[in-house]
Amino acid sequence: RKEVEQDPGPFNVPEGATVAFNCTYSNSASQSFFWYRQDCRKEPKLLMSVYSSGNEDGRFTAQLNRASQYISLLIRDSKLSDSATYLCVVAGNNRKLIWGLGTSLAVNP
Amino acid sequence: DGGITQSPKYLFRKEGQNVTLSCEQNLNHDAMYWYRQDPGQGLRLIYYSQIVNDFQKGDIAEGYSVSREKKESFPLTVTSAQKNPTAFYLCATRDRGITEAFFGQGTRLTVV
Repeated sequence: RKEVEQDPGPFNVPEGATVAFNCTYSNSASQSFFWYRQDCRKEPKLLMSVYSSGNEDGRFTAQLNRASQYISLLIRDSKLSDSATYLCVVAGNNRKLIWGLGTSLAVNP
Repeated sequence: DGGITQSPKYLFRKEGQNVTLSCEQNLNHDAMYWYRQDPGQGLRLIYYSQIVNDFQKGDIAEGYSVSREKKESFPLTVTSAQKNPTAFYLCATRDRGITEAFFGQGTRLTVV
């Protein structure tokens, strides 16, 4: 089993749709969790940190379920500009970041 | 401007030549990382350093070497021993504690 697993997609959704991504992780001792966005041929950029209580930033909501060892990202009212690859990242206490392979999202007009 | 600078953005080299990729940061972050990304693939860790004069191998260190003589700098050398060096190379930094990583813009290396 991979340490961090994501559905690679692609997810093709119309503008205005709500879309959700899940990411599972294998190490129950993991301490911090992040979602990154990566545009084609660019570097990854932090989208959101994921807290135990869940957090929301505009149209984006991230949640953590420690019992089931997964994190989720919900995007509401999708825009064309949301088209990208979304990377799930998990960190333990050894300073290493474990990256998922990413989920590809295409928002269509 | 604060941030992470990778240079050059594009690099072409002949097979068999060593090449060094630069990564400089002025964020005063302790940890620095080198990743490789192949088309349609995820990030794979090459080397990382948590402190000056110390570094550890990642998952795919063979054919690569690094140094960390200064906090600000973490250059990566791609040696001729690396069988498939053509890839997108990303440098990242992290501050102390449980924090996110910040990336440079990457270097796209093509070996011909």
